[in-house]
Amino acid sequence: AQKITQTQPGMFVQEKEAVTLDCTYDTSDQSYGLFWYKQPSSGEMIFLIYQGSYDEQNATEGRYSLNFQKARKSANLVISASQLGDSAMYFCAMRERSGGGADGLTFGKGTHLIIQP
Amino acid sequence: EAGVTQSPTHLIKTRGQQATLRCSPISGHTSVYWYQQALGLGLQFLLWYDEGEERNRGNFPPRFSGRQFPNYSSELNVNALELEDSALYLCASSPGQGGTEAFFGQGTRLTVV
Repeated sequence: AQKITQTQPGMFVQEKEAVTLDCTYDTSDQSYGLFWYKQPSSGEMIFLIYQGSYDEQNATEGRYSLNFQKARKSANLVISASQLGDSAMYFCAMRERSGGGADGLTFGKGTHLIIQP
Repeated sequence: EAGVTQSPTHLIKTRGQQATLRCSPISGHTSVYWYQQALGLGLQFLLWYDEGEERNRGNFPPRFSGRQFPNYSSELNVNALELEDSALYLCASSPGQGGTEAFFGQGTRLTVV
C-alpha cells in the first residue's frame, strides 16, 4: 500500500482563489512528521511547511497552512490567495520515527498546480 | 545563511562511465540524504549519511555509492552508468536523524547518453 497518497494529479485554479491540495498517509507509527514541498520547473525542492504528529495546532507559514486531521490520516495543504508564482508541482512527504529517519522521506506522486490569471 | 548546495547542476555522461555528484549541507546539519527523481518514478530514497557514516540505503544496486566527509559534505558516485540512471538527483540535509527540517539543494540533472 502507498504510504503517501495525493489524489489530484493536476489542478487549475484562478489567481487569488484559495487552493487545497489533498494528502493522505498510512503509518503505524505514533510519532511521525509530515512535510510539504514545492517544486518549480527548475527542479529545486522548496520546503513549505512541517507538521509533527504530536502537534496540536495546525502548522501555518505565511500563506500556507496544513489542515491536519490525525484520525483521518489526512494532511492537506491550503494555499490562501493563490498567485501566478504558485504554479508548480507540490509534494507531500512523511518521515516515520520508528526507523529514526533511516528511510528518509517518503513522497507522494505530487500534484501539478497551475494558477490561471 | 547558505542553503544546501549541489554541484554540478548538469552532468552529461556516456553509458558505462562514472558520475560524481556533490552536496554541501546547511551549516550545523550532520545528516545528508540523497534522492533520485526519475521521470515517471517520483522521488526515491537512495542513501542516508550521518556523522560520516552510511546509515541506510534504498533499493538501489551497489554501483550507487557515496561517502560523507568530516565537514559533513557528501559525494554520490554512480558507477557503470546506464541510460535509466538519467534523473534529477537531489540532496537534503537535516540537523541529525529524524529532524523536523529537511532542506533540499537545487539538484544535479544527470543525463546518460
